Amino acid sequence: GQQLNQSPQSMFIQEGEDVSMNCTSSSIFNTWLWYKQDPGEGPVLLIALYKAGELTSNGRLTAQFGITRKDSFLNISASIPSDVGIYFCAGQRQTSYDKVIFGPGTSLSVIP
Amino acid sequence: DAEITQSPRHKITETGRQVTLACHQTWNHNNMFWYRQDLGHGLRLIHYSYGVQDTNKGEVSDGYSVSRSNTEDLPLTLESAASSQTSVYFCASSDRSRPLYNEQFFGPGTRLTVL
Repeated sequence: GQQLNQSPQSMFIQEGEDVSMNCTSSSIFNTWLWYKQDPGEGPVLLIALYKAGELTSNGRLTAQFGITRKDSFLNISASIPSDVGIYFCAGQRQTSYDKVIFGPGTSLSVIP
Repeated sequence: DAEITQSPRHKITETGRQVTLACHQTWNHNNMFWYRQDLGHGLRLIHYSYGVQDTNKGEVSDGYSVSRSNTEDLPLTLESAASSQTSVYFCASSDRSRPLYNEQFFGPGTRLTVL
């Protein structure tokens, strides 16, 4: 069953606003990954995190690996219309070599 | 450029028929994965392979099978299609030899409808 929770489930924001979303679990993870999926496409990797406390940026995106190893956060600054899509977090557990578990996704809509 | 492709992109079939979805990657990745995506469930792992002749069951493997006869391909077969298998299917691959081997790269997906 589902082992990762993402919130919010969906969000509608104005262009230019900042966005925050998070991913939580009751299990400890070694790795956190954030993907974005555009309509009709496969997910594309945005950011990968490998150490607790790590903060990594990719353009206007910033993601953090939570200190407890049970959560991760993604922030998008100054949103633009092309940020629209579904954002998935994915985690790899210590006992799960090479496999990752995906969260249910956060759907982002940007109002111009 | 190296890539991962899936075919067909869209498929409509009838209950009880056997269906095979193709996945082909040119990155020479060791690891390949099949997921299905359904509303409210995100991506769920069906089967995965760590190399040639290796296959493993994922979270939702019932009714599906895979075979890995070479590095590039991991076809997914639905032995007897059921309406519950209507979904979007994604193939992914990752390279175990890279330090960041958890990074999975996804194909464009196959939308399967079982009537």
